[in-house]
Amino acid sequence: GAGVSQSPSNKVTEKGKDVELRCDPISGHTALYWYRQSLGQGLEFLIYFQGNSAPDKSGLPSDRFSAERTGGSVSTLTIQRTQQEDSAVYLCASSRKTGFSSGANVLTFGAGSRLTVL
Amino acid sequence: GQSLEQPSEVTAVEGAIVQINCTYQTSGFYGLSWYQQHDGGAPTFLSYNALDGLEETGRFSSFLSRSDSYGYLLLQELQMKDSASYFCAVSSSSGNTGKLIFGQGTTLQVKP
Repeated sequence: GAGVSQSPSNKVTEKGKDVELRCDPISGHTALYWYRQSLGQGLEFLIYFQGNSAPDKSGLPSDRFSAERTGGSVSTLTIQRTQQEDSAVYLCASSRKTGFSSGANVLTFGAGSRLTVL
Repeated sequence: GQSLEQPSEVTAVEGAIVQINCTYQTSGFYGLSWYQQHDGGAPTFLSYNALDGLEETGRFSSFLSRSDSYGYLLLQELQMKDSASYFCAVSSSSGNTGKLIFGQGTTLQVKP
């Protein structure tokens, strides 16, 4: 697609429920990131998919969080047994290049999925 | 790990020049990027420095000093539309992935 598409744009759920957030990156972009942004805060790194290499999961805050990227394209971030502190905007970004290649630092972000856990 | 420090807020008047500083600590530093995020919007890429010195893109310039682990974003001829949050981000070879780690952001308020 022309841009990074995320769905749903808004999700309200009850504490303890599982949620899935979807990201459709720009076609041909090999790198895909998930970040979390709480109100007025910075972007907290969650996970980085880098082409065919193993994903960097070092930012996932707990084992309730998981993500996969199927076929090198669409990615799903799953949060199990949601807690109120999970409430945030979840941003997905993609890049043409991975690792240390020139251009790997140029990320195109989606509009985000706003998650509210009641 | 990585850490980045930026001022939380900066205020300036229209037409002025403002500098947003960023200091960082990271192993395997590779480059410093700057992103802009308007309220309610998605971050957008502004500039990238891998080498020491100044990079200029229109009204915006970005500077890097690798020896001082320091960089800044310079915005000239400020316009009201420049009111936004600005994030510095480091590309780090830590973990051998080159992932991009962001700072907490600086909120710039441009006043008439």
